[in-house]
Amino acid sequence: EIVLTQSPGTLSLSPGERATLSCRASQSVSSSYLAWYQQKPGQAPRLLIYGASSRATGIPDRFSGSGSGTDFTLTISRLEPEDFAVYYCQQYGSSPEYTFGQGTKLEIK
Amino acid sequence: QITLKESGPTLVKPTQTLTLTCTFSGFSLSTSGVGVGWIRQPPGKALEWLALIYWDDDKRYSPSLKSRLTITKDTSKNQVVLTMTNMDPVDTATYYCAHQGPVANWFDPWGQGTLVTVSS
Repeated sequence: EIVLTQSPGTLSLSPGERATLSCRASQSVSSSYLAWYQQKPGQAPRLLIYGASSRATGIPDRFSGSGSGTDFTLTISRLEPEDFAVYYCQQYGSSPEYTFGQGTKLEIK
Repeated sequence: QITLKESGPTLVKPTQTLTLTCTFSGFSLSTSGVGVGWIRQPPGKALEWLALIYWDDDKRYSPSLKSRLTITKDTSKNQVVLTMTNMDPVDTATYYCAHQGPVANWFDPWGQGTLVTVSS
């Protein structure tokens, strides 16, 4: 089973700052199989990034994804008030096919 | 526009069987490559994938829960049903269904989720 470890657990930043969120896999993950989601309180997760670096439809270009192998990064270039939420990475592999990281909470400083 | 909505009981007793229905629109589960998955989230905790059913009735389950889960589809009704047997208080969670497109290995979009509490 591939375990995804996200860091930091909580990130405190101010609007306008740059956010860098990490997702580390216990085994190599194909870049094609890495996705990021945003979840706000009381809402379902929303797809942000798929294939490690492709933005989903309607996602602002301040969100970008990068990485390969075991290390992946979600970057938010300039934080907007609506970006403060919990972010999850997800990988597709084998047995179980899908695993999620434990999440990074991005909070207002 | 693709939408999904979960329905089912909000409260189940320990040892009972949970049956959840995902009713969707905007796509057909008879289209090649399409799938519908179930993911849950205990209060304040992370997401956990449970099961996925594909257009061709191929079914995948989380190994840790496989013995308790059954996923089925009714293409004519645009519904996917998940059953989970022998419910326990640790199964208390919000249960989401989500769309998976052709050649995709991510979930988009998701339903609003339904909170299921397991308590006597």
